[in-house]
Amino acid sequence: SQQGEEDPQALSIQEGENATMNCSYKTSINNLQWYRQNSGRGLVHLILIRSNEREKHSGRLRVTLDTSKKSSSLLITASRAADTASYFCAMLTQGGSEKLVFGKGTKLTVNP
Amino acid sequence: EPEVTQTPSHQVTQMGQEVILRCVPISNHLYFYWYRQILGQKVEFLVSFYNNEISEKSEIFDDQFSVERPDGSNFTLKIRSTKLEDSAMYFCASSWWSTEAFFGQGTRLTVV
Repeated sequence: SQQGEEDPQALSIQEGENATMNCSYKTSINNLQWYRQNSGRGLVHLILIRSNEREKHSGRLRVTLDTSKKSSSLLITASRAADTASYFCAMLTQGGSEKLVFGKGTKLTVNP
Repeated sequence: EPEVTQTPSHQVTQMGQEVILRCVPISNHLYFYWYRQILGQKVEFLVSFYNNEISEKSEIFDDQFSVERPDGSNFTLKIRSTKLEDSAMYFCASSWWSTEAFFGQGTRLTVV
């Protein structure tokens, strides 16, 4: 299966702490994307990292990609209660397919 | 900022009935998708659409499902003879080539 696996499945931290979520996948990718989903709502794109990139930053977000280990991590620094959501990695695989394959997600709770 | 819009936000239907879920993707995008998310579970790929035809579909997307882009702006998902297990959030998305996908807010389908 091409599906990604995130860990942990759930993460609970205090406001101000950093949150790290990991994603592993099985096939070669074109790029890897992270999405956020508030409860019962749509998926919001956070950041995209291409297969030839190793690290990318956007505001309080830092994403790394290790294609040799087929893994990625999302770091949210100085977390806020408003960061409480589910976070998904999604892989755009190589080979012409333009479909995103989503991982199972990490449910992040940031306690005030 | 351009966005993907979906209607209705919530649809309740009797088992065995047909439903049509509607989406207006971002106008200059090339790829259009439908995904499904059963409550609390992973986001599952259903189908991708490119150049006015299905480019890829999952094993979930059987003869019960069909997609159409009737007028160059709308993108619809039809589910024939709905079953209880079709109850889920259905997300439409669109993208350019090998870039981030933009998702709508979803249609919550409840089959009773």
